[in-house]
Amino acid sequence: DGGITQSPKYLFRKEGQNVTLSCEQNLNHDAMYWYRQDPGQGLRLIYYSQIVNDFQKGDIAEGYSVSREKKESFPLTVTSAQKNPTAFYLCASMSGLLNTGELFFGEGSRLTVL
Amino acid sequence: AQSVSQHNHHVILSEAASLELGCNYSYGGTVNLFWYVQYPGQHLQLLLKYFSGDPLVKGIKGFEAEFIKSKFSFNLRKPSVQWSDTAEYFCAVLNGPGGYNKLIFGAGTRLAVHP
Repeated sequence: DGGITQSPKYLFRKEGQNVTLSCEQNLNHDAMYWYRQDPGQGLRLIYYSQIVNDFQKGDIAEGYSVSREKKESFPLTVTSAQKNPTAFYLCASMSGLLNTGELFFGEGSRLTVL
Repeated sequence: AQSVSQHNHHVILSEAASLELGCNYSYGGTVNLFWYVQYPGQHLQLLLKYFSGDPLVKGIKGFEAEFIKSKFSFNLRKPSVQWSDTAEYFCAVLNGPGGYNKLIFGAGTRLAVHP
């Protein structure tokens, strides 16, 4: 089945540590996205990538970094510079060719900083 | 910067009541509009979308939304809700100023339907 796989589902980290969240898709989609979901704030865009080796900052990119070395993969690193990293992180993809605007989401990764 | 406002953060209804969730967006140009739904424990999924044409859009599970350009609104409606509609609903807009395909989401409305 085609879809988006995020791992790990739950992650605990100590303050001062970097952590990388994995996102893999087998939908052959060009565009990939990282959102952060917090209660009462909806989904806020962290980073997005339209094609391999290219990515753009979203609305809340500070303290995060990404790479897009392969079409299928778009990992997100939450660095120690992110002041409030505890959140639910959602990865999504969209077909650039069809330009339907429909995002396909993964199940999410819940990060807790202790 | 483009923004999306959802007026109701929490809505509680009884089964068979009618539903209307408000959504307003800030961009005045051509926009593509969406409603996504997140059922408890499930992925976010597309409920319906508006690109052009008939401003009254029908989606899955009996939902519909009306695009009113003059009011910058895209309200979601359902004539009679069911317990299974309990979920969080997000309005989103695609392609505001600056190009690129990115969706901007509202804060969400959490709907609870009581039997």
